[in-house]
Amino acid sequence: DAGVIQSPRHEVTEMGQEVTLRCKPISGHDYLFWYRQTMMRGLELLIYFNNNVPIDDSGMPEDRFSAKMPNASFSTLKIQPSEPRDSAVYFCASSPPGVSNQPQHFGDGTRLSIL
Amino acid sequence: GQNIDQPTEMTATEGAIVQINCTYQTSGFNGLFWYQQHAGEAPTFLSYNVLDGLEEKGRFSSFLSRSKGYSYLLLKELQMKDSASYLCAAHSGGYQKVTFGIGTKLQVIP
Repeated sequence: DAGVIQSPRHEVTEMGQEVTLRCKPISGHDYLFWYRQTMMRGLELLIYFNNNVPIDDSGMPEDRFSAKMPNASFSTLKIQPSEPRDSAVYFCASSPPGVSNQPQHFGDGTRLSIL
Repeated sequence: GQNIDQPTEMTATEGAIVQINCTYQTSGFNGLFWYQQHAGEAPTFLSYNVLDGLEEKGRFSSFLSRSKGYSYLLLKELQMKDSASYLCAAHSGGYQKVTFGIGTKLQVIP
């Protein structure tokens, strides 16, 4: 079975450019999470969706960040304009229906470097 | 707010036992996850505790005390491949939102 698929795996771009990260969750999972991981702050939840609806976006750092989930099999995280401090590994994760002990399945991440 | 504390680094010897502690302060606590993350890879699920006590799964065991806001992950018969970061994560509130700790980087030495 295919796991969570993220693209691109690596992205290097100059500050000010728009960056779009993509995620395909596991089929049948109705939760989708976007995380950012850095050495200093660890794994931070940015936003999560349930049945394609954003539930909590309180972790989105600022208006430069936006996320969409137009259907059950696709989500995007967009940064516009990008800044060097956005450099991090961005993970997408999905989990099955349920309200408690469903583990999250992570994609391989996108390593983003903003120059 | 949510607060998860765990040591940032630990070193242990191959074949030994190591205990990684985690304390948490969260509102609406439901349960506690442990994930393993090898360098450059994605986190993978290890365990989930919702009731007090110890749950064993092969060489790995996880303990939870809800009254003390405390959990630990116990790794027995350490192997070199156990060198990784171990992330403690508290599940709270409705839905499936979890808050992760910074992670404990474990180095297993010969």
